[in-house]
Amino acid sequence: EAQVTQNPRYLITVTGKKLTVTCSQNMNHEYMSWYRQDPGLGLRQIYYSMNVEVTDKGDVPEGYKVSRKEKRNFPLILESPSPNQTSLYFCASSYRANTEAFFGQGTRLTVV
Amino acid sequence: QQQVKQSPQSLIVQKGGISIINCAYENTAFDYFPWYQQFPGKGPALLIAIRPDVSEKKEGRFTISFNKSAKQFSLHIMDSQPGDSATYFCAASINRGYNKLIFGAGTRLAVHP
Repeated sequence: EAQVTQNPRYLITVTGKKLTVTCSQNMNHEYMSWYRQDPGLGLRQIYYSMNVEVTDKGDVPEGYKVSRKEKRNFPLILESPSPNQTSLYFCASSYRANTEAFFGQGTRLTVV
Repeated sequence: QQQVKQSPQSLIVQKGGISIINCAYENTAFDYFPWYQQFPGKGPALLIAIRPDVSEKKEGRFTISFNKSAKQFSLHIMDSQPGDSATYFCAASINRGYNKLIFGAGTRLAVHP
């Protein structure tokens, strides 16, 4: 089954404790992105990647890092999480620009 | 700065009625306008999309109307069903070799039986 898999689905952590949210897709897609979803703001892009070793900032990249060492994986790293990063996070992949984006199930992160 | 403005925030429709959600954009370089549907606990999923060379696209009960001169597009759900109850997001993007979707704030639709 074609899918984007995120882990974990739920995470509660404390301020400053480094964490990684994993994302993997099995559709051989070139493009991958991370979004955060907040009430009243829709989804906002954090980082995107056009191919292996090619990443760039989206609209809200502060406090986040990503890497793309393999085509299928695109982890999101929060090196020092803060409460304002409490949000619902989605990973997405697509075959190319301006085509259907496939989203993962989401990761609900709470930073206390 | 919200480049894609979506309204209303929430919408209640009776079963069988028509649901209408509107979006307006500012950047005339946008050339792809998808609508995503999201159920609770799930990720958004593409519902229907349109490109600016057509004014309307219909897929089953779902229709996108696109007005390039007004920089507006809307989603119409005909014969709305309780199973359509979800959050709907409009989005826009530019084909610059990367896939950056700019989303609206979302509309929570409730279809009452």
